[in-house]
Amino acid sequence: GAGVSQSPSNKVTEKGKDVELRCDPISGHTALYWYRQSLGQGLEFLIYFQGNSAPDKSGLPSDRFSAERTGGSVSTLTIQRTQQEDSAVYLCASNPGPSNYGYTFGSGTRLTVV
Amino acid sequence: GQSLEQPSEVTAVEGAIVQINCTYQTSGFYGLSWYQQHDGGAPTFLSYNALDGLEETGRFSSFLSRSDSYGYLLLQELQMKDSASYFCAVRVGNFNKFYFGSGTKLNVKP
Repeated sequence: GAGVSQSPSNKVTEKGKDVELRCDPISGHTALYWYRQSLGQGLEFLIYFQGNSAPDKSGLPSDRFSAERTGGSVSTLTIQRTQQEDSAVYLCASNPGPSNYGYTFGSGTRLTVV
Repeated sequence: GQSLEQPSEVTAVEGAIVQINCTYQTSGFYGLSWYQQHDGGAPTFLSYNALDGLEETGRFSSFLSRSDSYGYLLLQELQMKDSASYFCAVRVGNFNKFYFGSGTKLNVKP
C-alpha cells in the first residue's frame, strides 16, 4: 500500500483481556518496528523484524507482550492480560531495509485499558 | 542503555530561527535522526546524520558532533505549521534500530 496501515485506530478494552494490534507495512519494506508512546512522552522501542532474521525482542516490557510477522509482511502485536499501564499509542513503522535510515510510521492504535 | 536529552518545550516567533538540541549517551552509536510529530499525527522522518557536520534540507538543517555526543535541528523562517513535537533518535549498533528522546514541543507564535 501507499503507507503503513494500522488497525484498529482505537481500542478500549477491559483490564485482564487480551488484545491484538495489526500492522500492514509498505509493500517491499523488509524492516518492521513496533514502538509505544505514552501521553506526552517519547517513543519506546518494543520489537524489530528484519527480513527472515530472528526478531529483536529486547524492548518488550514483559512476557505479556508478543509479536509475530507473517510472510515477511503483516505483523500482529499481542498483549495478554492487559493492565492499565499498557494504555498508550502503539506505533508501527517500516523501512526498506539496511542502509536506509528513515522510518515511515503508521497513524498508530490508541489503546485504552479500563 | 541509552540516554537522550532534549528541552521539553521551545517557543519562537514566526519567521525566526530556532535550534533544538539533543545530547546523548550510548554505546555503539552509529547516527542521529530527527522526526517531526504534529498533535495526533504520526512521526515523520526529517533527517539522519552519521558523520560530523551540518546537513541542510530546505528550511531544516541537522548537525552532529560525535566527539561531543551532541546534535541539533535548526529550523529557519519559522512558519505556524512548524508547531509540533520534534524527536531526536540514536541509531545503536550496526542495525537499523533507533532509540528516541522524549521530544521537544515547539510553539510558533505569530
